[in-house]
Amino acid sequence: SAVISQKPSRDICQRGTSLTIQCQVDSQVTMMFWYRQQPGQSLTLIATANQGSEATYESGFVIDKFPISRPNLTFSTLTVSNMSPEDSSIYLCSAEIHQETQYFGPGTRLLVL
Amino acid sequence: KQEVTQIPAALSVPEGENLVLNCSFTDSAIYNLQWFRQDPGKGLTSLLLIQSSQREQTSGRLNASLDKSSGRSTLYIAASQPGDSATYLCAVRHNTDKLIFGTGTRLQVFP
Repeated sequence: SAVISQKPSRDICQRGTSLTIQCQVDSQVTMMFWYRQQPGQSLTLIATANQGSEATYESGFVIDKFPISRPNLTFSTLTVSNMSPEDSSIYLCSAEIHQETQYFGPGTRLLVL
Repeated sequence: KQEVTQIPAALSVPEGENLVLNCSFTDSAIYNLQWFRQDPGKGLTSLLLIQSSQREQTSGRLNASLDKSSGRSTLYIAASQPGDSATYLCAVRHNTDKLIFGTGTRLQVFP
């Protein structure tokens, strides 16, 4: 298995501000993913982050709102920009490591007031 | 567009019962299917992964089966324990690497 950590684990933010979430993997991986889990809902993929290329965003998600960085094979960041209360969610990163299994970080719980 | 549904949405059972959680998907051209558990306030833990060419996978008290042609997977939990209480999610993958998650089954096992 793999160890994936996220920072911060939770935050309370004011509307209009931005928050950057960090994701660290304990081994080198090609594919990293960012998901959103809104209250009471399942997970929705925001984007796929490959090292050395632009992130690929899913329908309904745009780079201006959720810019992603992937500077190396063990690290990625997701920024939630110009936040509104509708952005209150759990944000999870994941990485595909062994035998096409995806492993997930513990999540970042975001509340926007 | 792939849609993944899980039934039941919630389940409450006494300790010791054998359980079956169901996952159905509309597009059978999947690459693999993965079952996860999510504890309250926590991330996801991978339980089992079944490749499209496989029929089932087992790990301890867990057994997952896959019937790709009918678009169904089941997760069987034997001799359930209070520690099994969590939300169980299935997710399918096509050849594009991304996972499409089901709606989840919230399980409570009481002593």
